[in-house]
Amino acid sequence: DIQMTQSPSSLSASVGDRVTITCRASQNIRNYLAWYQQKPGKVPKLLISAASTLEFGVPSRFSGSGSGTDFTLTISSLQPEDFATYYCQKYNSVPFFGGGTTVEIK
Amino acid sequence: QVQLQESGPGLVKPSGTLSLTCAVSGGSISSNNWWSWVRQPPGKGLEWIGEIFHTGSTSYNPSLESRVTMSLDKSKNQFSLKMTSVTAADTAVYYCARDRCSTTSCRFFASWGLGTLVTVSS
Repeated sequence: DIQMTQSPSSLSASVGDRVTITCRASQNIRNYLAWYQQKPGKVPKLLISAASTLEFGVPSRFSGSGSGTDFTLTISSLQPEDFATYYCQKYNSVPFFGGGTTVEIK
Repeated sequence: QVQLQESGPGLVKPSGTLSLTCAVSGGSISSNNWWSWVRQPPGKGLEWIGEIFHTGSTSYNPSLESRVTMSLDKSKNQFSLKMTSVTAADTAVYYCARDRCSTTSCRFFASWGLGTLVTVSS
């Protein structure tokens, strides 16, 4: 089974900061990677698919990059509504989610 | 815009069967989309359970396959999940979701139900 490892598991940041979250696959998944945002008690929201394709309506401060085994989600300038947990998900074959990265207010 | 709504018992006894239904509105379950179940134990991450197409074709997570059955009811525009031999480890919020793609199964999800908490306890 392909495992997805996110790092860090949590981070503290301030409004306006640039934030980068990493997701590593245990095997090559090409670009079959999605990113979600989930706020407490809420449903996951799809942000990015195909590693770097932004969903309609998602602010352009979010971006994704990478292919193969190493991927990143970057928030260029953190906004108050961005404090949440972020999950990566590989979707070639059996879908598998990373463990999540919680972005907290510093 | 499609909406999904999960329903079912919130409490299931250990070794029992978990049964949930997802009602689809604003769209047809017979459309060219795959329909999935995803779960999330309290305070933990997400796990894909399986998917179903309107033809009745299914695909399950190998880690759960021996205990899971999905079905659909076109007359009610809904699909269902049954999970047998449940334990406390199956306690989770269960979400139904629609695949982002049409016809093919992409297995990532833009449309989700609000989720329903199922607790396994005696």
